[in-house]
Amino acid sequence: AQKITQTQPGMFVQEKEAVTLDCTYDTSDPSYGLFWYKQPSSGEMIFLIYQGSYDQQNATEGRYSLNFQKARKSANLVISASQLGDSAMYFCAMREGTSGTYKYIFGTGTRLKVLA
Amino acid sequence: DTGVSQDPRHKITKRGQNVTFRCDPISEHNRLYWYRQTLGQGPEFLTYFQNEAQLEKSRLLSDRFSAERPKGSFSTLEIQRTEQGDSAMYLCASSWERGLGANVLTFGAGSRLTVL
Repeated sequence: AQKITQTQPGMFVQEKEAVTLDCTYDTSDPSYGLFWYKQPSSGEMIFLIYQGSYDQQNATEGRYSLNFQKARKSANLVISASQLGDSAMYFCAMREGTSGTYKYIFGTGTRLKVLA
Repeated sequence: DTGVSQDPRHKITKRGQNVTFRCDPISEHNRLYWYRQTLGQGPEFLTYFQNEAQLEKSRLLSDRFSAERPKGSFSTLEIQRTEQGDSAMYLCASSWERGLGANVLTFGAGSRLTVL
């Protein structure tokens, strides 16, 4: 069963606008973590933001925020004031905390293109 | 802290040959992961180590693949009798495991394998 679903293969956004990248997840583990990574064309995966399942508030890191809706099992990434350098692949990932597996499962990604 | 290093960055080989990739994690990290990424897809889990112990191996991994992490430091991933379907980017990542919390994976730049 697909544990991380990213339904948007590609997205366009105008420079300086905000954009939301969708991610839904599936787990029965009460303890888990959700991560977003950016992968530019150079290939290296860059950590952006983390949300723990017990965190009461949505995570924020600079222009990145995570819209965490636990009941809906969604963890959407919001990028505010998009910049040309934000053009990249974005991956949502989950790590389950108490099931005994500590592997991180990634979605298929969303390719974001920022337009000048 | 020089990050996660992977070597070689690119490898072209003929079908049937053996290849070995090396990963040097961040020195204080106790967890090391190998992932495989094909074009347009998210990273796919292969295996991971806690110090020198290999704790989990993907069922998708055939017995042509073997990984080691002697002395809990660097790791090697060997692919024997390569097939064209093995062509992919092989990503190594490391983390400091501290139970619950943001155990963020730090990725290397990857080793790209092309099997002719």
